[in-house]
Amino acid sequence: QVQLQQWGAGLLKPSETLSLTCAVYGGSFSGYYWSWIRQPPGKGLEWIGEINHGGSTNYNPSLKSRVTISVDTSKNQFSLKLSSVTAADTAVYYCARALPAAEADYYYYYMDVWGKGTTVTVSS
Amino acid sequence: SSELTQDPAVSVALGQTVRITCQGDSLRSYYASWYQQKPGQAPVVVIYGKNNRPSGIPDRFSGSSSGNTASLTITGAQAEDEADYYCNSRDSSGNHVVFGGGTKLTVL
Repeated sequence: QVQLQQWGAGLLKPSETLSLTCAVYGGSFSGYYWSWIRQPPGKGLEWIGEINHGGSTNYNPSLKSRVTISVDTSKNQFSLKLSSVTAADTAVYYCARALPAAEADYYYYYMDVWGKGTTVTVSS
Repeated sequence: SSELTQDPAVSVALGQTVRITCQGDSLRSYYASWYQQKPGQAPVVVIYGKNNRPSGIPDRFSGSSSGNTASLTITGAQAEDEADYYCNSRDSSGNHVVFGGGTKLTVL
């Protein structure tokens, strides 16, 4: 049973850099996309970005200038850095495993394993 | 703004059938995946692909797709199905991931 354990600082001041790490236990690191998603209080899910085991990344265009996602395959970990945070970055941040696949001429993509979430608050 | 559009709220009487929809151009190439999120918990995938349920998801949950619209149907809704539901796919370029804005399901 694959599990994701995430950790990082929960309280930041404006302009600081958010840093979170997610460790993968009990499963292979290759063949998946490893994603970060956030959810501001009372709002919906927002995809931040993803990385595969080879280090190839995709980022949400609205956050791309501030986001870096990296992977350490030797530790089965991947990390998120979000620079120059403001109050608008206050959210629960989730890591997740995502699997791309195809079926009957369609593609699909789903996140089958999620971390428990880390609450990050940005406040002066 | 999200590239996948969902109704903000839907209600259903206990034991009845409810359909939650998700619209977007990317759904002409991608099946949507559907997630259930209860307060204070991480989302859980309930439907992926054409109509696949992960182990442990009741068979009252089903998915379908037509054109640019994906649907999640709950047949015989239970009180425990009251939650927020999100659809998700890659975007039309295939390079990014998008979520719908979410639908709050109330079971009356």
